[in-house]
Amino acid sequence: AQKITQTQPGMFVQEKEAVTLDCTYDTSDQSYGLFWYKQPSSGEMIFLIYQGSYDEQNATEGRYSLNFQKARKSANLVISASQLGDSAMYFCAMREADSGGYQKVTFGTGTKLQVIP
Amino acid sequence: EAGVAQSPRYKIIEKRQSVAFWCNPISGHATLYWYQQILGQGPKLLIQFQNNGVVDDSQLPKDRFSAERLKGVDSTLKIQPAKLEDSAVYLCASSPQPASGANVLTFGAGSRLTVL
Repeated sequence: AQKITQTQPGMFVQEKEAVTLDCTYDTSDQSYGLFWYKQPSSGEMIFLIYQGSYDEQNATEGRYSLNFQKARKSANLVISASQLGDSAMYFCAMREADSGGYQKVTFGTGTKLQVIP
Repeated sequence: EAGVAQSPRYKIIEKRQSVAFWCNPISGHATLYWYQQILGQGPKLLIQFQNNGVVDDSQLPKDRFSAERLKGVDSTLKIQPAKLEDSAVYLCASSPQPASGANVLTFGAGSRLTVL
């Protein structure tokens, strides 16, 4: 089974509108973390936002917020007031401990977001 | 602080040749990761080091790929002999240890390999 599932290969959004990028995850751990990264065409992975499994409040970072629904195992990224510079690939990732107790980070397949002027 | 340094940024080789990529993590970061990202896909973990020890290399094709992290600082990933399907971006990342809480992975710019 996939650890991280991103079902939207591509999304379009009008400039200044909000957009939600979907992410579901699969883990039996109680303690884990969820991340979103942005990868522009330049290729570098840029950290956006983090949510811990025990965090009761949804994480927010500027225009980014993470809609964390633990029971549904979903961690959707919401980008408000989209800008042209938000056009990029977006990856959801999960950190969990392996059998040896080391933290492993697994990435989803990504969603390509295009912002339309 | 300085970021994660990787070199070379681009490399083109013929199949069956060898190639090596170098990574220098953020100072003090105990954990170092090598990911392979094939065009259009998400990063796939190849190998993870904790200081200079390997904690996960389950997805490393050991018949052709090798990696080392001497003295627990910089790391080298080698491919020998290369195959066409090795064409990808090789991303190095590092994180503080313990990798818990919001200790995120910081990535380098990547090394893009094209195998002809």
